[in-house]
Amino acid sequence: ETGVTQSPTHLIKTRGQQVTLRCSSQSGHNTVSWYQQALGQGPQFIFQYYREEENGRGNFPPRFSGLQFPNYSSELNVNALELDDSALYLCASSLDQDRTKNIQYFGAGTRLSVL
Amino acid sequence: KQEVTQIPAALSVPEGENLVLNCSFTDSAIYNLQWFRQDPGKGLTSLLLIQSSQREQTSGRLNASLDKSSGRSTLYIAASQPGDSATYLCAVTGGGNKLTFGTGTQLKVEL
Repeated sequence: ETGVTQSPTHLIKTRGQQVTLRCSSQSGHNTVSWYQQALGQGPQFIFQYYREEENGRGNFPPRFSGLQFPNYSSELNVNALELDDSALYLCASSLDQDRTKNIQYFGAGTRLSVL
Repeated sequence: KQEVTQIPAALSVPEGENLVLNCSFTDSAIYNLQWFRQDPGKGLTSLLLIQSSQREQTSGRLNASLDKSSGRSTLYIAASQPGDSATYLCAVTGGGNKLTFGTGTQLKVEL
């Protein structure tokens, strides 16, 4: 167990809808990163939050947005869902943004299916 | 743009065999490299982290090496067991403090 929890575990939406995924970081961790993992692929970096500010973003459109709260929990919001958004969404927390340490602890993920 | 490749994509071995998983990356300007394990439908478990200044790390039956100049890493698993069956992912940390992952090697260890 990594101490990182994600909810919900599974979600089914239809094209065009909006979805919010949630992540609770490991205690004491102030940095959270979100990744999208399509079937049979490695995870792709979406964005990272450090102390409530976005701190890096991957090649994802603006309809992917996020929030980090004062308790360092986080949300990933996706608007105007497309079929290709179907994937496992992983949240990872780390102690700080020091990239030389950067041990990221992953949650079990949210499986999103878009019909 | 950093690209990470893992070979082979899938591997099936009998129990007890020693095995090597390979990872290569195109941009040697990395801060560290990690190996993860992923069980079906689950999240990722970090196995080993090698800083860019290090050559190898060991944890139990696992040994990971890093040759940053050639853009290669290997994960050596000794005396494989059925419980080692999973997908193994390598990832590098580069600019922007993000992890860039390979597509993984799916390992099956048979009795």
